[in-house]
Amino acid sequence: GESVGLHLPTLSVQEGDNSIINCAYSNSASDYFIWYKQESGKGPQFIIDIRSNMDKRQGQRVTVLLNKTVKHLSLQIAATQPGDSAVYFCAETPNTGGFKTIFGAGTRLFVKA
Amino acid sequence: NAGVTQTPKFRILKIGQSMTLQCTQDMNHNYMYWYRQDPGMGLKLIYYSVGAGITDKGEVPNGYNVSRSTTEDFPLRLELAAPSQTSVYFCASSYSGQGAGELFFGEGSRLTVL
Repeated sequence: GESVGLHLPTLSVQEGDNSIINCAYSNSASDYFIWYKQESGKGPQFIIDIRSNMDKRQGQRVTVLLNKTVKHLSLQIAATQPGDSAVYFCAETPNTGGFKTIFGAGTRLFVKA
Repeated sequence: NAGVTQTPKFRILKIGQSMTLQCTQDMNHNYMYWYRQDPGMGLKLIYYSVGAGITDKGEVPNGYNVSRSTTEDFPLRLELAAPSQTSVYFCASSYSGQGAGELFFGEGSRLTVL
């Protein structure tokens, strides 16, 4: 069945280091992926997206990499800051029409000062 | 712009009670959604709407109802609350349909059914 999963439920990094959050997906028909950040007590907030015709997309301090061969998505955060501490979700939208975005369970990122 | 506003933020219900979670957005988005998030889990789609007067079921619609009389408002009704409906509920909106852009989320409504 369709699933979007995360390799690590928690990730702890030192302030200033780079963070890499991974996500696996199983539906090869998916053509749109989004990373969301959810701070405690708040709703998810868009970080960056990527379409299946791309391998890499960069934003401000964040980069998303898509490897369609192994159905793997990653979010890289450069120079991680305390404000980056949150739960990060990957979301996958299959190109089958309708409203079928699938959210992973999330990875909690802890940034140590 | 306030974005997506949900009320109430917290609510405790007894089994069998009913209530409505309110959601309003001021971004003139046609698409609106209700998700639930159980502890340690991702979000699951309950209902969605592609415009005023049009709603459809998502992945987990049982026990819920929605209406969309205006572009701005998308209330979620819980009838005969059950402990399994204990969750955090998020309303979201988007300019385009899913697969074409980001979702804007409210801050959530935490519901406990005892």
